[in-house]
Amino acid sequence: QVQLKESGPGLVQPSQTLSLTCTVSGFSLTSNSVHWVRQPPGKGLEWVGAIWSGGSTDYNSALKSRLSISRDTSKSQVFLKMNSLQTEDTAIYFCTRGKLGPTFDYWGQGVMVTVSS
Amino acid sequence: DTVLTQSPALAVSLGQRVTISCRASKSVSTYMHWYQQKSGQQPKLLIYSASNLESGVPSRFSGSGSGTDFTLTIDPVEADDIANYYCQQSNELPLTFGSGTKLEIK
Repeated sequence: QVQLKESGPGLVQPSQTLSLTCTVSGFSLTSNSVHWVRQPPGKGLEWVGAIWSGGSTDYNSALKSRLSISRDTSKSQVFLKMNSLQTEDTAIYFCTRGKLGPTFDYWGQGVMVTVSS
Repeated sequence: DTVLTQSPALAVSLGQRVTISCRASKSVSTYMHWYQQKSGQQPKLLIYSASNLESGVPSRFSGSGSGTDFTLTIDPVEADDIANYYCQQSNELPLTFGSGTKLEIK
């Protein structure tokens, strides 16, 4: 069955770099896009960016200068790197599979990232 | 960017019908999707492309609309439907979500 699982540090210091991994199973990264969506505590959902089935990427323009998304298809993993972290980046980070348009049909459980010294 | 506007909260009695609205700042055709998020959980896709029921989602949920105005209907509302509901557009990048509607029981 389709599964996505995020992993990474729960605590990052301000100005440092966040590195997250999304490990997927049950589908191929060359057939579906994978997106990152984040949710600050008690707030709504924000699209962070995507890596498409062909390997190209798109980013939220507000984060573009700090963000990189890549993948390793042999390991079924997608990576998010965000530098110059600020307290406003504190959020749950979800990875999710894109389909049809895209919409998001499968989600990981999310990983809570706290930016604090 | 396409801004999606939702009412912050709605209160409804069990067994009644509720409609949750989402208005887009520009036309998104039918590239509108709806998610349910319960406390402490990841979002769950309910409706895609405005009116298509995702597999496994109860038929109590339905969606309608096109252009700039969309609705998610739950009929009848059950206790398990207490959650936040988000609309999301995929007509253009960046993909955007509404701010969410919290469904409460009277």
